Amino acid sequence: DAGVIQSPRHEVTEMGQEVTLRCKPISGHNSLFWYRQTMMRGLELLIYFNNNVPIDDSGMPEDRFSAKMPNASFSTLKIQPSEPRDSAVYFCASRGLAVNTGELFFGEGSRLTVL
Amino acid sequence: DAKTTQPNSMESNEEEPVHLPCNHSTISGTDYIHWYRQLPSQGPEYVIHGLTSNVNNRMASLAIAEDRKSSTLILHRATLRDAAVYYCILRDGEAQKLVFGQGTRLTINP
Repeated sequence: DAGVIQSPRHEVTEMGQEVTLRCKPISGHNSLFWYRQTMMRGLELLIYFNNNVPIDDSGMPEDRFSAKMPNASFSTLKIQPSEPRDSAVYFCASRGLAVNTGELFFGEGSRLTVL
Repeated sequence: DAKTTQPNSMESNEEEPVHLPCNHSTISGTDYIHWYRQLPSQGPEYVIHGLTSNVNNRMASLAIAEDRKSSTLILHRATLRDAAVYYCILRDGEAQKLVFGQGTRLTINP
């Protein structure tokens, strides 16, 4: 299995631009998670989906952030407009059906720099 | 989410055992204890988890105190590749999300 695939691996953009991060979960996994990691705040859970449905988006910082999962094999995290404080590494993770004990599999992350 | 407390950093030598402690005094009966680690420039990866009994797998062992208020991740023979940030996380049996704390940064000396 190829694991969780994220793109782009690195993105540098200017303040005010739209940013779209993409994630392909492991085939057969039914839960998908988006995390953000910064030196100051560590790993923060932004949102997660079960069976393509958003379950908890309480970690989404503000209305500039949105996430979608149109099908079981694809999710996007969009920031519009982007700001310098959004600079971070964004991780996507997926999990199979064993909710209580199933491990999360993380992608390699998308490093975002907003100038 | 119930809180865990870990030392900020630890240091050990290559080929020696490492014991990483985690305190979770407010753990509830349905909380599972999970450990993940994050190698430099990578996403976190699962290490081990348990509920009440000690657990072993190919990566590590998890020793859980009888009252469940603390646990210890044991790396039996550390290698340089084990240098990482180790996260101890409690997850309620009903909850689906993992909330990461600050973790312990483990340094392995050659």
